Amino acid sequence: AQRVTQPEKLLSVFKGAPVELKCNYSYSGSPELFWYVQYSRQRLQLLLRHISRESIKGFTADLNKGETSFHLKKPFAQEEDSAMYYCALLTSGGYQKVTFGIGTKLQVIP
Amino acid sequence: NAGVTQTPKFQVLKTGQSMTLQCAQDMNHEYMSWYRQDPGMGLRLIHYSVGAGITDQGEVPNGYNVSRSTTEDFPLRLLSAAPSQTSVYFCASSSPDRGLFSYNSPLHFGNGTRLTVT
Repeated sequence: AQRVTQPEKLLSVFKGAPVELKCNYSYSGSPELFWYVQYSRQRLQLLLRHISRESIKGFTADLNKGETSFHLKKPFAQEEDSAMYYCALLTSGGYQKVTFGIGTKLQVIP
Repeated sequence: NAGVTQTPKFQVLKTGQSMTLQCAQDMNHEYMSWYRQDPGMGLRLIHYSVGAGITDQGEVPNGYNVSRSTTEDFPLRLLSAAPSQTSVYFCASSSPDRGLFSYNSPLHFGNGTRLTVT
């Protein structure tokens, strides 16, 4: 069965400091990984997906199949980055179920 | 496009009451799903549908029913509310990616329904 692990429930960083939100997964097939973000009082929205290889709002994430990780990184945190971040795994084949991690709350301290 | 619309935004129920959470999408997405969001547990899949007339159970289906009579609508019914069903409920939709990558499109979420059962 697939599993997504986000080891930190809360991550506090100072404005301007680097950010790394950790995500590890277990899945025997070929995964598609996402990061979703939920700003205060807003709906969850897609931040980025590994297959697109994009940088969104300064965030990047690289899929490391050897370490089964998909960590989210940003070199310089901004106050508006404060939000809840969810790592998600999309399985292949048939209806592709999405499995979410428990989420990490990022708090950027001014 | 309104995207995914959920109603109501807030609801308080007493134990044993029933209610229906509404979800509608106007993106012609084939796939729709319901999640509940609980602190420390992330989002867990309740039920999902791959098209009109087809539904299936997710990770935590007990106490909930769904139906999908049209592509647009995917209501979630609580038959007899229990305090354990106090949560924030999200409806989401997506579509098969028939392009290069053969993965579903990312999920599009509604604004959520905050349900309290006393």
